[in-house]
Amino acid sequence: KQEVTQIPAALSVPEGENLVLNCSFTDSAIYNLQWFRQDPGKGLTSLLLIQSSQREQTSGRLNASLDKSSGRSTLYIAASQPGDSATYLCAVDNYGQNFVFGPGTRLSVLP
Amino acid sequence: SQTIHQWPATLVQPVGSPLSLECTVEGTSNPNLYWYRQAAGRGLQLLFYSIGIDQISSEVPQNLSASRPQDRQFILSSKKLLLSDSGFYLCAWSVNRNEKLFFGSGTQLSVL
Repeated sequence: KQEVTQIPAALSVPEGENLVLNCSFTDSAIYNLQWFRQDPGKGLTSLLLIQSSQREQTSGRLNASLDKSSGRSTLYIAASQPGDSATYLCAVDNYGQNFVFGPGTRLSVLP
Repeated sequence: SQTIHQWPATLVQPVGSPLSLECTVEGTSNPNLYWYRQAAGRGLQLLFYSIGIDQISSEVPQNLSASRPQDRQFILSSKKLLLSDSGFYLCAWSVNRNEKLFFGSGTQLSVL
């Protein structure tokens, strides 16, 4: 059964720093991996989707990479801003299962 | 463009009362539809998913049920709520298995 973990659980950085969020999964038989952002009390917003055949995806200041063989993905945020403060979740779409979500990383960007 | 509507935003219900949460999607046909629950301090748990009208799969045994009376409408129900049903309920949709997942704004359910 697929298990998804995220490190760190929480992160606090000063504005302007570049940062990396990590996601690990146990079963490499996946369709894709998605990164989401969730603001407190709100739904999830899809940030990036990486197909199983792809190595990375970029959108603005965000870059997500996927190493399926090692069961890892990273979300790189460049030049962080206070508006980036949120919880970031990764989710893996598995063969034989639907999306399995990680517990999330709570990010605080301090002005 | 596609949009997803979910209501109500918040709900406070006594133990033993019924529940009905509704979700509708606009701007697409035959979407895959999902109900998730996010309990405090825990990750998202998939409750139900549907690939078409009257095609609903349950992921977790519980006192909840789901129905899809129309192509773009997904309803989560319970006959008698339990305290443990409290949580943040999220509806989501996707075009198919290998596409982005889009979420509604969620319903915060408190069972007292």
